[in-house]
Amino acid sequence: KQEVTQIPAALSVPEGENLVLNCSFTDSAIYNLQWFRQDPGKGLTSLLLIQSSQREQTSGRLNASLDKSSGRSTLYIAASQPGDSATYLCAESKAAGNKLTFGGGTRVLVKP
Amino acid sequence: GAVVSQHPSWVICKSGTSVKIECRSLDFQATTMFWYRQFPKQSLMLMATSNEGSKATYEQGVEKDKFLINHASLTLSTLTVTSAHPEDSSFYICSARDGGNTGELFFGEGSRLTVL
Repeated sequence: KQEVTQIPAALSVPEGENLVLNCSFTDSAIYNLQWFRQDPGKGLTSLLLIQSSQREQTSGRLNASLDKSSGRSTLYIAASQPGDSATYLCAESKAAGNKLTFGGGTRVLVKP
Repeated sequence: GAVVSQHPSWVICKSGTSVKIECRSLDFQATTMFWYRQFPKQSLMLMATSNEGSKATYEQGVEKDKFLINHASLTLSTLTVTSAHPEDSSFYICSARDGGNTGELFFGEGSRLTVL
C-alpha cells in the first residue's frame, strides 16, 4: 500500500528565506505527483504536477522536483512571502485520473 | 484552469437529518469525480470514487448506505450524508478529472458540515 509522508509537519521561516518542502512515497510506481496549497478552511489549489517521466516542473517562484528511484519529491519556494503561509500537500496517483494518495501536509508560516 | 464548484460551502444541521452536497465541473466534462473527507489539521482521506452513470466505489471503512453518492451527469456528482451525527462533522472536498491525458485533478472549495 502506498504511503506518502511529508516532513516536517510544520515550518516557520522569516520572510525572504527559501522554503524546501519534502515529500516521500514508498512505492515508486507512480503515474504523477501533484503539489497543492490549502488555506485554512478552504479547498485545494493545484500548484504543480509532475509526470513520472519528468524530473521537475517550475512555475514562477515554485519549483518541484521528482526522483522516483529514491521515492522523493521536493517543492522549493524561492524568496518566501507572508502570503505563502498555508498548508502544502503532495499527492501521488497510480494512473491518469486515478485517485490521489495524500501526504499529511506541511503547515508553513512565513513571518514578516 | 478548470473550475470545480461545490455547494453549499458550509452547512449546519441537526442530528438525524440528511444533507446533500453538490460538486459541479463548470467548464469541462468529468467522467470521474472523487469525494474526500478532511478532519481538522489532518490530510485528505478518499471516501469514494464516483463514475458517471454507474455505482460509486467506496473505500474500505466508508459506509455506502450512510454516504450516498450519485453521479447522474458528466458535470454533477452529489454526496448525501444520511442521518447525520456529530461525528460526521467534517470538511468534505470533491475533485474531478479534467478528461485530458495529464490526469490532473481539480478540486472544489470544500463543504464544511457541522452536525449539532
